[in-house]
Amino acid sequence: SQQGEEDPQALSIQEGENATMNCSYKTSINNLQWYRQNSGRGLVHLILIRSNEREKHSGRLRVTLDTSKKSSSLLITASRAADTASYFCATVMFSGGYNKLIFGAGTRLAVHP
Amino acid sequence: GAGVSQTPSNKVTEKGKYVELRCDPISGHTALYWYRQSLGQGPEFLIYFQGTGAADDSGLPNDRFFAVRPEGSVSTLKIQRTERGDSAVYLCASSLTGGTGTGELFFGEGSRLTVL
Repeated sequence: SQQGEEDPQALSIQEGENATMNCSYKTSINNLQWYRQNSGRGLVHLILIRSNEREKHSGRLRVTLDTSKKSSSLLITASRAADTASYFCATVMFSGGYNKLIFGAGTRLAVHP
Repeated sequence: GAGVSQTPSNKVTEKGKYVELRCDPISGHTALYWYRQSLGQGPEFLIYFQGTGAADDSGLPNDRFFAVRPEGSVSTLKIQRTERGDSAVYLCASSLTGGTGTGELFFGEGSRLTVL
């Protein structure tokens, strides 16, 4: 089963615009991670936010986490055509003695030149 | 290589056949995960290894699926009597540790399985 639910399922924007993707989840987490996947490739880790953090930045990425609403958002500023990919949130729970990552269905982002 | 390596990258087989998919994790990573990804979906957890043992196989869909990691490094996912519904991309990921740290995963490029 997939705990995270991303929205929108698909997003189409022009280069230079900002892209915002949202993730909601159901249970308590240790941290939440965002991954990127180019078509036909594996997933690449982008950024991690711990359950006691509210906001985190990395380059053009900004992640927020609201544990009371069980939701997170990923903002990509000044998007580029190369940002075109699918983006997945993964909730991380410490379960059974290890970090278990459960992924959402993803947001497919298309950035047009 | 420095990353997670998966072979084959593509496998086409007939319904009812047996398939093995191999994963070579990053050297020194003790935690290894298998996920399955259907078209347009996110990765679905299958099994987790800590060292040689399968610590959590709750995601394996049925007893046709089995995975091993005999020496705590390379892992093989085995699918018996394949069905058309098994068609998907099988992703392997490794992590430095599974029980400590933050759980950041390093993924391979996946093995695309097509069952005709």
